[in-house]
Amino acid sequence: DTAVSQTPKYLVTQMGNDKSIKCEQNLGHDTMYWYKQDSKKFLKIMFSYNNKELIINETVPNRFSPKSPDKAHLNLHINSLELGDSAVYFCASSQVLTPAYEQYFGPGTRLTVT
Amino acid sequence: KNQVEQSPQSLIILEGKNCTLQCNYTVSPFSNLRWYKQDTGRGPVSLTIMTFSENTKSNGRYTATLDADTKQSSLHITASQLSDSASYICVVSPRNYGGSQGNLIFGKGTKLSVKP
Repeated sequence: DTAVSQTPKYLVTQMGNDKSIKCEQNLGHDTMYWYKQDSKKFLKIMFSYNNKELIINETVPNRFSPKSPDKAHLNLHINSLELGDSAVYFCASSQVLTPAYEQYFGPGTRLTVT
Repeated sequence: KNQVEQSPQSLIILEGKNCTLQCNYTVSPFSNLRWYKQDTGRGPVSLTIMTFSENTKSNGRYTATLDADTKQSSLHITASQLSDSASYICVVSPRNYGGSQGNLIFGKGTKLSVKP
């Protein structure tokens, strides 16, 4: 009964390929997020979705596109992968998009671009 | 520029000992400050969350303190256990105009190793 799950856990691919990472939460939360954790271990937000509406979109290349088929899912599609995209990607969710509410993180997907 | 700085970068202690991790931030105004524990290969897990008006918050052997005047927070771990070995991340939530979430600002973390 994992709260926030991601697949795959590991993803190795070549430059130029297109890949997707899936995320699902069973907490009934309204808001979901994608974070990137680079080699320096900093976590940076990429996107957040609130009731299927994109709320925050940081300075992320348009090669990255979030897709939310329903409130419980937020998938991350990446086109034309580059070496610099190698990182760990975390999905998270929170009950609502307000500062007081806790965010619950998934286990992460380690993406390696060769 | 909103920043969160943590110290030390890494720490090694013996099982059963106490330790204190530090967090300094320049985020202002802020809504709340959180401490997360991240085990190797796992996602961050929340330990404590404090609003700007709170001074301390405990969660078992973890006690976080907050001094909003000096913009400092600490996480104290009592009677450390081997399972405490992890990275501890300080996270500050800015309070944007209108009260919206704003982006969470993460520190780099302190890597704690507890040795038997």
